[in-house]
Amino acid sequence: ETGVTQTPRHLVMGMTNKKSLKCEQHLGHNAMYWYKQSAKKPLELMFVYNFKEQTENNSVPSRFSPECPNSSHLFLHLHTLQPEDSALYLCASSQDLAGSTYEQYFGPGTRLTVT
Amino acid sequence: KNQVEQSPQSLIILEGKNCTLQCNYTVSPFSNLRWYKQDTGRGPVSLTIMTFSENTKSNGRYTATLDADTKQSSLHITASQLSDSASYICVVSGDRGSTLGRLYFGRGTQLTVWP
Repeated sequence: ETGVTQTPRHLVMGMTNKKSLKCEQHLGHNAMYWYKQSAKKPLELMFVYNFKEQTENNSVPSRFSPECPNSSHLFLHLHTLQPEDSALYLCASSQDLAGSTYEQYFGPGTRLTVT
Repeated sequence: KNQVEQSPQSLIILEGKNCTLQCNYTVSPFSNLRWYKQDTGRGPVSLTIMTFSENTKSNGRYTATLDADTKQSSLHITASQLSDSASYICVVSGDRGSTLGRLYFGRGTQLTVWP
């Protein structure tokens, strides 16, 4: 266990559905991240939050909407997704922003399938 | 263009054998390089982090090397075990500035260890 939990672990949704992914970290970290991992592609950073404030948005489509109510919780709200959005969505946290030597701890991921 | 290239893309070895995975990068200026292990369906777990001044770092049977002059790194696995079967991801951190621009991910090497 890395101290970062994600729910649900698996999610199947239609293109007209609205769902949310949840991430919680029990490490007392200040920075949290959403990543997308598609088959045969490198991890793609989607959003970064530091002290609850969004510091980065990697040109992610608006059908993905992040929310960070406090430093321990991070949500990814999903609506009107496309089949190409099917992927493993990973949450991570670090003591400070990960460009330094601070370690990133990843959750187990949510396997999302859009039908 | 800042890139991270890993080779081979996939590798099959017999249990008990050694292997070496390669990572070449063009990220500049360079801050640090990390190796992660990702089991199927799980989030990545950090193996090592190396800064510019470090040439080698070990974590049990895993030994990472770094040549910052040639911008190359390797991950050597000694006496492989079945549990070493996973994807190994090289991540390079660039200079301070945008967090987004500071982390560059390789596609990973898929290692399979056969009994």
